[in-house]
Amino acid sequence: RKEVEQDPGPFNVPEGATVAFNCTYSNSASQSFFWYRQDCRKEPKLLMSVYSSGNEDGRFTAQLNRASQYISLLIRDSKLSDSATYLCVAASYNQGGKLIFGQGTELSVKP
Amino acid sequence: NAGVTQTPKFQVLKTGQSMTLQCAQDMNHEYMSWYRQDPGMGLRLIHYSVGAGITDQGEVPNGYNVSRSTTEDFPLRLLSAAPSQTSVYFCASSLADVSYNEQFFGPGTRLTVL
Repeated sequence: RKEVEQDPGPFNVPEGATVAFNCTYSNSASQSFFWYRQDCRKEPKLLMSVYSSGNEDGRFTAQLNRASQYISLLIRDSKLSDSATYLCVAASYNQGGKLIFGQGTELSVKP
Repeated sequence: NAGVTQTPKFQVLKTGQSMTLQCAQDMNHEYMSWYRQDPGMGLRLIHYSVGAGITDQGEVPNGYNVSRSTTEDFPLRLLSAAPSQTSVYFCASSLADVSYNEQFFGPGTRLTVL
């Protein structure tokens, strides 16, 4: 089992839709989490950090459920420009400098 | 600031050849790392460094060497290229505490080993 798992999708949604991705992690020592966005064949870029129960930034909301060991990303009012792959990342203090990436969830927003 | 730069952007090697992928950052970041990205696998950590003179292995270190003689540079060496090393390689850097700091990625090197 991978340490960080995501549904690879693709998620195909119409413009304006609300879409949610889940990410599960197996290392209970994981302390902080991130969502990165990766456009096709480009480098990943930070979308949001999640340290406590959740975080909100405009149309994007991330929630953390430590008891069930999952993180979710909710995108409201989807735009065409939201089409990308979303990477879930976990970090734990007992792994020093290591970040563990999920395989990514592909989102395609259609007109 | 140029951020994180990687060279070359593309490279084709023959099996058994060696080469060095270059990575440099101008943000005075202590932490630097190398990842490879394969279809359906996400990013996997190859090696990382928490400061000049300090390196450590990641998830998939076999076949790769690194060194960190300066804060700015973190080259990745392929000792004897194999087709299994065909991948996209990303270098990243951040402030020291990777658990709380944004990773800045370079544009990637697309490597094909024939």
